[in-house]
Amino acid sequence: GAVVSQHPSWVICKSGTSVKIECRSLDFQATTMFWYRQFPKQSLMLMATSNEGSKATYEQGVEKDKFLINHASLTLSTLTVTSAHPEDSSFYICSASEDRGLKGEQYFGPGTRLTVT
Amino acid sequence: GDSVTQMEGPVTLSEEAFLTINCTYTATGYPSLFWYVQYPGEGLQLLLKATKADDKGSNKGFEATYRKETTSFHLEKGSVQVSDSAVYFCALTAGAQKLVFGQGTRLTINP
Repeated sequence: GAVVSQHPSWVICKSGTSVKIECRSLDFQATTMFWYRQFPKQSLMLMATSNEGSKATYEQGVEKDKFLINHASLTLSTLTVTSAHPEDSSFYICSASEDRGLKGEQYFGPGTRLTVT
Repeated sequence: GDSVTQMEGPVTLSEEAFLTINCTYTATGYPSLFWYVQYPGEGLQLLLKATKADDKGSNKGFEATYRKETTSFHLEKGSVQVSDSAVYFCALTAGAQKLVFGQGTRLTINP
């Protein structure tokens, strides 16, 4: 149980275009979803937290107009990277929690590798 | 702010060797502590957790004890297998929603 999927698993886009990444909880209702960014050989950096039906809370230094997060249902959250640039190339990981993350029980998706050319 | 520090990797061991991956933390309040594992090509999975001082989390032969006096949560396994090769992340949450991760330790087990 507690499976989280991401789509696509990898994407290549041209500089200046926008890319949407989907995160779905397949067998539970995710009250909260988290979006992380992982650089090569480095830890996960939390980008934002989104509670279903509410606006996302962004971490300091993360541009909310560039990384648009929507959490419209209890099973789906999307991250849209707008006007992507090569420096946005990274591994993006989502996680989902059914208890608003208060106990730290987050279930992680397999990640999406974004390459901006 | 809250932070987690893990031992530098990569770590390479032979099969059946004893494993220790050190993890120390800094936090206000009383955090819960976690070890996550990321196998090649897969998402992070919760390996074990402990929610209060002196608790021992265990799973798949791995153990870690929450040591408040030394602010540590070291991961141990008595006899590693090739299938344990992965990246291991120590993490904490201290009441807020978010997890704070260490930098990860890449473990390779040779047959």
